[in-house]
Parts: sequence; C-alpha cells; structure tokens
Amino acid sequence: DIQMTQSPSSLSASVGDKVTISCRASQTIAGHLNWYQQRPGKAPKLLIYSASTLHSGVPSRFSGSDTGTEFTLTITTLQLEDIATYYCQQSFTIPQTFGLGTRVDLK
Amino acid sequence: EVQLAESGGGLVQPGGSLRLSCAASGFPFSSYSMNWVRQAPEKGLEWISYISSASTTRLYADSVKGRFTVSRDNARNELYLEMNSLRDEDTAVYYCAREDAESGSTDYWGQGSLVTVSS
Repeated sequence: DIQMTQSPSSLSASVGDKVTISCRASQTIAGHLNWYQQRPGKAPKLLIYSASTLHSGVPSRFSGSDTGTEFTLTITTLQLEDIATYYCQQSFTIPQTFGLGTRVDLK
Repeated sequence: EVQLAESGGGLVQPGGSLRLSCAASGFPFSSYSMNWVRQAPEKGLEWISYISSASTTRLYADSVKGRFTVSRDNARNELYLEMNSLRDEDTAVYYCAREDAESGSTDYWGQGSLVTVSS
C-alpha cells in the first residue's frame, strides 16, 4: 500500500496567517493527490483534486502544489471557518490511502 | 444539489451483522462509481470499499475483505454495505462518497452513520 505522510500533525495559527501543510507519498502517484477538510463533527469535504485543482465552491485562498512525491496545501489567509483537520489522499491505486491528518486550530 | 444520506447504523454485538444504506439524489447515480470510507472515534479516514457504476467491479480493504459486501440498486438510487462478523475495531462512522471518474477523488460525502460494535 502507498503510505501518505502528512506534516505537521497539528499547528496553531492566527486569523490572517498563511498556513502550509505538507504531504509526501511513499511512491509515485502521478499527481493523483487530493485534499479534504473536516470540521469537528462533520463529514469531510473535498478542497483540491489532482494536486492543484480547486473543487467547485472552494474559496480561492486554498491552493495546492506538488513537486512529484511532495505535495503542499496552502491557505493564504486563515479564516475562522478554516479551523478543521485536513487530510491528503492518494487516488492513484487501490487501496486509496489517506494521511493521518493535520489539525489546524487558533493560536 | 448532490445529496448522500446514510442510514442503518447502530449498536451491534461482536460477531453480529448490520446493513448500511446510502440514498443518493441530485445526480445521475447510475453513472458514478461509489466508495465507503470509515472513521474510527478520534482517528483518521480509512477507505474500505469501492463499487463501479454497473457493479462490475467491487473492491475491498484487507481489513474488511470476506466480511463486508458492497452492492447498489441503480433503479432505486441506493448504495449498500452488508457487514458481517463485526469486530470491536469496526466501530466507526461510515461514510458513503461519490467518486469523480477523472481524478478518482471522492467529491461528495454523506453525513455518516455510526456503527458501534460492543457487548
């Protein structure tokens, strides 16, 4: 199975800060990397697919990038409603695998 | 609007069985592959099953293979997960989720159904 390693596991930031979350795949996934946001007590929501494409309705302060096996989710200006746990997922092979998540809370 | 609504969760004893349903609306259900993803309490997300649009391909995580069966009824716009020989470690919120064919991402999720396996 492909292992997805996310870092950091948690971070604290202030409203207006830039936030960066990293995800590394244990082998090539050809850009099949997706990012999800899960607010407390809610279902996950797709933010970004194929490493850098914004899902419909997702604010433009979210962006994704990659350098092959290293992927990054960036929130340019953190808002209150962005307090959540973020997961990366590879959809290159079965089983699809997720990172362990990055919890973002307020400083 | 795409909507997915799970039902059928509850408390079951170890070794017991349960059937989850997922009612889909707002999109051509028969054209989409579907997934089940679960989340144990205070844990991360775990993909457990996939079914293609015409049910020709069904895939499972090793953790549930041989115990869980995924199926669908395209005429009723419903997805199912039959769970047998349940174990304590199957306790989780179970989500049904639509798969985007191009990216393989799960682009829409239901609200989840809690399954608790306990004596």
